[in-house]
Amino acid sequence: GDSVTQMEGPVTLSEEAFLTINCTYTATGYPSLFWYVQYPGEGLQLLLKATKADDKGSNKGFEATYRKETTSFHLEKGSVQVSDSAVYFCALSEAGAQKLVFGQGTRLTINP
Amino acid sequence: GAGVSQSPRYKVAKRGQDVALRCDPISGHVSLFWYQQALGQGPEFLTYFQNEAQLDKSGLPSDRFFAERPEGSVSTLKIQRTQQEDSAVYLCASSYGTGWHEAFFGQGTRLTVV
Repeated sequence: GDSVTQMEGPVTLSEEAFLTINCTYTATGYPSLFWYVQYPGEGLQLLLKATKADDKGSNKGFEATYRKETTSFHLEKGSVQVSDSAVYFCALSEAGAQKLVFGQGTRLTINP
Repeated sequence: GAGVSQSPRYKVAKRGQDVALRCDPISGHVSLFWYQQALGQGPEFLTYFQNEAQLDKSGLPSDRFFAERPEGSVSTLKIQRTQQEDSAVYLCASSYGTGWHEAFFGQGTRLTVV
């Protein structure tokens, strides 16, 4: 079945550092790919998405590119802020399917 | 309301007790989802409603789990004869349409079975 594997956390960085959180997936078809973020005390929020190969999703300075050849969707940000501290989830949804398949999450802490 | 609302936020149940978890989706949202999130894990799909119809219940782990959405808005997830492995955060999400639309998540109900 479909699955998503994320780099294990926790990840701790200093403010203004470069961030990469790795995500790879296994899917039978051509899924859409997502990054969700969960800030402390809040519900999951969609951060960005990409629906086909080579698409780049971007939001709030974060970017991820849908790489079909490496089945990856790594999350990057050039300069993180303390406010980016959260748990990040990579997820996929098969075409025509309603449900999301999530990775295990990566906890990110940014120190001032 | 402005977002997806779930109640209660926290529930402690004794093993063997029945529980009911409520989800109020965003008004007008057609699709509603339930997910289970164990500690330190990502959410796992339980079930999906389109209006009042339960179109996918493939993720429900056992016949102790039952979900309903009788009028196509509020949904209830019921767990009978709770067991310790049922301890998790139960997330509800809703989305506007029937194709892919952004799903908005509630804050979840944390269930602890003792």
